[in-house]
Amino acid sequence: GENVEQHPSTLSVQEGDSAVIKCTYSDSASNYFPWYKQELGKGPQLIIDIRSNVGEKKDQRIAVTLNKTAKHFSLHITETQPEDSAVYFCAASRGNMLTFGGGTRLMVKP
Amino acid sequence: DAGVIQSPRHEVTEMGQEVTLRCKPISGHNSLFWYRQTMMRGLELLIYFNNNVPIDDSGMPEDRFSAKMPNASFSTLKIQPSEPRDSAVYFCASSFSTVDTQYFGPGTRLTVL
Repeated sequence: GENVEQHPSTLSVQEGDSAVIKCTYSDSASNYFPWYKQELGKGPQLIIDIRSNVGEKKDQRIAVTLNKTAKHFSLHITETQPEDSAVYFCAASRGNMLTFGGGTRLMVKP
Repeated sequence: DAGVIQSPRHEVTEMGQEVTLRCKPISGHNSLFWYRQTMMRGLELLIYFNNNVPIDDSGMPEDRFSAKMPNASFSTLKIQPSEPRDSAVYFCASSFSTVDTQYFGPGTRLTVL
């Protein structure tokens, strides 16, 4: 089955700096790659996703890149703010079953 | 829309008791997923339904776990008998189809003493 690895497990940045989280996947047939943000005591919330026919997608301060050849994808957050502090999960699927990475705890220091 | 609704939000029970978790998906969504989140194993898919029919239950840990979806607006996850190792946060998610974005509920934090 699919295996998704996520790095780093924790990331601390200064407010205004950029943050990058990286994931690799094992199943070359995976074609959908969402990113979720989970705040304390809440369920994961989708923040951005990308499909295999696209190499990059951007939404304001958040962008995701996908390299199908290398089987890795990354989340980029620019101009980080304290409210970006949360746990971020990447995931991969080939249609129906999402496999999640282990999560990255992002801390943005004011 | 109110989003995915789960109840109860917190459940504390004793080992051996039956536990029932409930989920109401977003109206119009026809796929429903149950996940379990623990520190050790992260987010794991337990089972998912499409049009009220269970499609894949390979993630269900053992026979003590069962899930049903009697209609498009309600699903249950039952653990009988419960054990301390079942302590976790259980999430329900729904999507318009099995290949669409999944929207998560707030979760049920289960503690089995």
